[in-house]
Amino acid sequence: DSGVTQTPKHLITATGQRVTLRCSPRSGDLSVYWYQQSLDQGLQFLIQYYNGEERAKGNILERFSAQQFPDLHSELNLSSLELGDSALYFCASSASGGGARETQYFGPGTRLLVL
Amino acid sequence: AQKITQTQPGMFVQEKEAVTLDCTYDTSDPSYGLFWYKQPSSGEMIFLIYQGSYDQQNATEGRYSLNFQKARKSANLVISASQLGDSAMYFCAMRERYNQAGTALIFGKGTTLSVSS
Repeated sequence: DSGVTQTPKHLITATGQRVTLRCSPRSGDLSVYWYQQSLDQGLQFLIQYYNGEERAKGNILERFSAQQFPDLHSELNLSSLELGDSALYFCASSASGGGARETQYFGPGTRLLVL
Repeated sequence: AQKITQTQPGMFVQEKEAVTLDCTYDTSDPSYGLFWYKQPSSGEMIFLIYQGSYDQQNATEGRYSLNFQKARKSANLVISASQLGDSAMYFCAMRERYNQAGTALIFGKGTTLSVSS
């Protein structure tokens, strides 16, 4: 158990809908990262938050947004869902801003299926 | 741009044997970190081992060790005495900088390891 929690574990929804994925980082960790894993794209970085502020943006679509709250939990909002958004979404956390030696610990993931 | 390459889509090994999973990388950053993660069929990503670019010695964690060859830009994972529970997908990853303060991991495509009895 990495100490990172994600809810829900599974999510089935329809095209055009909006969903929210939730992540609680390990106790004491200030950075939260979101990744998407799909068969065709592999593991892709979406976005990083550090202590409530956005720090880095990767291949995140405009239909997707995220935030990190004062209690450091984070939410990833996916809207106008398309079939291609079906994937495993991971949250990871690290102690601070992500230095060279800093390990990211991953949550169990949320498996999203868009029908 | 940084890049991680894992050229072995699948590897097969028998229990108690050692296996090496290949990883090469490309970066112009003199300070970098390399990570290996394990993803069993259940889907979670488990951190295994870390190697820093300035580390003098190869990293070891239990049955996992890293064969780090900086000049060749390779960071191969060695699993000794394979167990059935080692069957999983293994990912090599590198820290990538974004802007001045941001950071993330970039991953290779992974290698599926199958351990048989």
